[in-house]
Amino acid sequence: QVLLVQSGPEVKAPGSSVKVSCKASGGSFNTYAFSWVRQAPGQGLEWMGGIIPLLGTPNYAQNFQDRVTIIADESTSTAYMELSSLRSADTAVYYCARGGGTYFRNWGQGTPVTVSS
Amino acid sequence: DIQMTQSPSSLSASVGDRVTITCRASQGITNSLAWYQQKLGKAPNLLIYDVSRLESGVPARFSGSGSGTDYTLTISSLQPEDFATYYCQQYQSMPFTFGPGTKVDIK
Repeated sequence: QVLLVQSGPEVKAPGSSVKVSCKASGGSFNTYAFSWVRQAPGQGLEWMGGIIPLLGTPNYAQNFQDRVTIIADESTSTAYMELSSLRSADTAVYYCARGGGTYFRNWGQGTPVTVSS
Repeated sequence: DIQMTQSPSSLSASVGDRVTITCRASQGITNSLAWYQQKLGKAPNLLIYDVSRLESGVPARFSGSGSGTDYTLTISSLQPEDFATYYCQQYQSMPFTFGPGTKVDIK
């Protein structure tokens, strides 16, 4: 039984950065891809990027290429997503999701991030 | 990027109804398609992957079909717990993209 537990809600000022964590338990950490998907209020799902811990090299969506960093720490079975230069449009719930064939079988509970001055 | 569209964007149905949701990709996605159900305030839940493979624990009233650019999610007999928003997702190529969603509510 795979469980993904994310860090808690964040309130950030415009221009700052946020780092969200996703701790995995159950199953193999290294061999599955972890992705980050966000959902703005009342909107759909948007893939931001992902990483396979065993390979270590992340892939990012073009929309976030310059602002997002995704890493995986095998020692703590935790994936992280850091988004910089925050603006109000980044207000959303951020989900980590794990999958094999890059559909997403397991999801974290979501981390609300509010960007407000 | 592969764009995904869904129709309808919303529908009203009654318990027991057969419901069909369509998803179209902007180019062929070689059966790399999944469907998710999302209830308000919750994370999405995987229903179907590889077009028609039912995820473990998902009721058999859910089914998927399609090929090329056109795909369908069918709920054979709508149950009260099925009122939710449904998303398709392609994983043929990065960036992985989702459809805009179909909200199913009670008639």
